[in-house]
Amino acid sequence: KAGVTQTPRYLIKTRGQQVTLSCSPISGHRSVSWYQQTPGQGLQFLFEYFSETQRNKGNFPGRFSGRQFSNSRSEMNVSTLELGDSALYLCASSLSGFTGELFFGEGSRLTVL
Amino acid sequence: AQKITQTQPGMFVQEKEAVTLDCTYDTSDQSYGLFWYKQPSSGEMIFLIYQGSYDEQNATEGRYSLNFQKARKSANLVISASQLGDSAMYFCAMREGGLNTNAGKSTFGDGTTLTVKP
Repeated sequence: KAGVTQTPRYLIKTRGQQVTLSCSPISGHRSVSWYQQTPGQGLQFLFEYFSETQRNKGNFPGRFSGRQFSNSRSEMNVSTLELGDSALYLCASSLSGFTGELFFGEGSRLTVL
Repeated sequence: AQKITQTQPGMFVQEKEAVTLDCTYDTSDQSYGLFWYKQPSSGEMIFLIYQGSYDEQNATEGRYSLNFQKARKSANLVISASQLGDSAMYFCAMREGGLNTNAGKSTFGDGTTLTVKP
């Protein structure tokens, strides 16, 4: 079956702009998590959605937000971009979010100039 | 506080040999899960193996095995018969808590870059 699909794969933005990233989970998976990966901070948890509800949130400023649609697809948005937001943003899906492994997409690589 | 520690930034192994990647963790929860993921240069994180805190047997998945030492809080990954395609970054991760806690959240170590030499 199809894996987790993230779009776009690469994007370049300038400071102050906003960006929206999309994630389509594996069919049947209702939990979608987002992670930020940078060389300095490693992999950090952003938030998790299940049935259109945010159930868990990491320690990121309010500029980072997300949502989930009824078909379990999820988007994350970063407003007022800063240079430090340059990162690989990984989306992961799972059946419930509480057990088992996470299935990751290939990520969206954001560069902020 | 760092809850997953991977002390080996980089490792080299000869093709067909075995290699052990170290991972120690810290948690006060009795219920937790430990995972290893592989990240090739493409960026996608690939699940390798899982060990639950109550599992008494060490997990194995093909050429991968997890050396779980609960008292020492270590969960080392052993890759047997290394292949060139094993060259990648490897992450140890932990999800704390039982059901209905920490939805979707795993804590990751800093990773170990493994290079397999022909």
